[in-house]
Amino acid sequence: EPEVTQTPSHQVTQMGQEVILRCVPISNHLYFYWYRQILGQKVEFLVSFYNNEISEKSEIFDDQFSVERPDGSNFTLKIRSTKLEDSAMYFCASSGRRGSNTEAFFGQGTRLTVV
Amino acid sequence: SQQGEEDPQALSIQEGENATMNCSYKTSINNLQWYRQNSGRGLVHLILIRSNEREKHSGRLRVTLDTSKKSSSLLITASRAADTASYFCATGFYGNNRLAFGKGNQVVVIP
Repeated sequence: EPEVTQTPSHQVTQMGQEVILRCVPISNHLYFYWYRQILGQKVEFLVSFYNNEISEKSEIFDDQFSVERPDGSNFTLKIRSTKLEDSAMYFCASSGRRGSNTEAFFGQGTRLTVV
Repeated sequence: SQQGEEDPQALSIQEGENATMNCSYKTSINNLQWYRQNSGRGLVHLILIRSNEREKHSGRLRVTLDTSKKSSSLLITASRAADTASYFCATGFYGNNRLAFGKGNQVVVIP
């Protein structure tokens, strides 16, 4: 069964450092997403990506964040200068069709710890 | 806020019993989805119900949607120990791709 894979599963980084979280969406999907979940809080939407550009982003997704699809398979989330409050579980998701009226497949998540 | 809110947040039941979780939301939606998350793992999509639907079934899952009350319920019948997980509702809206998640219900099924 196709699945979304994320690496690494856990990353520890020092405050101020750049991190790149990696995702391999399901191969024939066209829409890609990043969500995050701070411990004990809700899963929050960060950004959606389609046709090599951001289609929507939340207020959380400020200039410190960027996304990229550098090749035909990977989808990355970069945080330029991490802050303590960026510590969270980051989920990548992909879906085949536009809009949220379709099932999104989520990866296992990357737990980011900023120290 | 457009986020879903589940109620109750923690539920402990005996294997074989039914588990019911509720979710409420505040604005008009296009659809509502339920996800499961096993400890330390990703979100698994369970079921999607569209705003013009009132009830949907998938195996042992039954979801209802009441748009007049802006609420949904997820029923798991004949629960199993493997159903132990956190369950999240997420609402989808017209005109955008994002899902708004609730905080989740933690369900423990005791063998």
